Amino acid sequence: KAGVTQTPRYLIKTRGQQVTLSCSPISGHRSVSWYQQTPGQGLQFLFEYFSETQRNKGNFPGRFSGRQFSNSRSEMNVSTLELGDSALYLCASRPGSLSYNEQFFGPGTRLTVL
Amino acid sequence: QQQVKQSPQSLIVQKGGISIINCAYENTAFDYFPWYQQFPGKGPALLIAIRPDVSEKKEGRFTISFNKSAKQFSLHIMDSQPGDSATYFCAASIHNNDMRFGAGTRLTVKP
Repeated sequence: KAGVTQTPRYLIKTRGQQVTLSCSPISGHRSVSWYQQTPGQGLQFLFEYFSETQRNKGNFPGRFSGRQFSNSRSEMNVSTLELGDSALYLCASRPGSLSYNEQFFGPGTRLTVL
Repeated sequence: QQQVKQSPQSLIVQKGGISIINCAYENTAFDYFPWYQQFPGKGPALLIAIRPDVSEKKEGRFTISFNKSAKQFSLHIMDSQPGDSATYFCAASIHNNDMRFGAGTRLTVKP
């Protein structure tokens, strides 16, 4: 089974721009979660989508948004980029049918904001 | 907003030694406590997880010890190997939702 894939792997943007990151979950997984990883703040939960609906949301501003498609693929959008948005963005998928299913992480998208 | 405190930040252990990483949490509603291992350039991977109804769980060389009354849990890596060198994260969540991670421990195992 193929793992979680994220595209692109690396991205450079400038302040004020917007960016869209993509995540393809493991086949059959219906839940996709997004995380931001930075040296200062560590791993922080952004949001989770299940069956095209946002199921949980972390404490991030509205500039961070996401969506999930009927094939479970998910996109994350960040508008009006700030320098502090530079981070590794990770997505993780799990079947979603049971609370304690293991979640599998992708390799991440490294976003640099200049 | 950190709800999971992890220590130490970094750890150096000799090959064959025991690596111990500690975590403390605040929210008593947490009911799922996983540990993740992350290598450079990779996403975190689940190592082992525990629920608060047991005090210890062992999988191979990896053991989680859980102290519900103290709101603490720890990871023990027995017979540490150079291949174990990675960053380890503890985490806590309610029903595996809205996972809260510790700050991470960079483990180096010297040959």
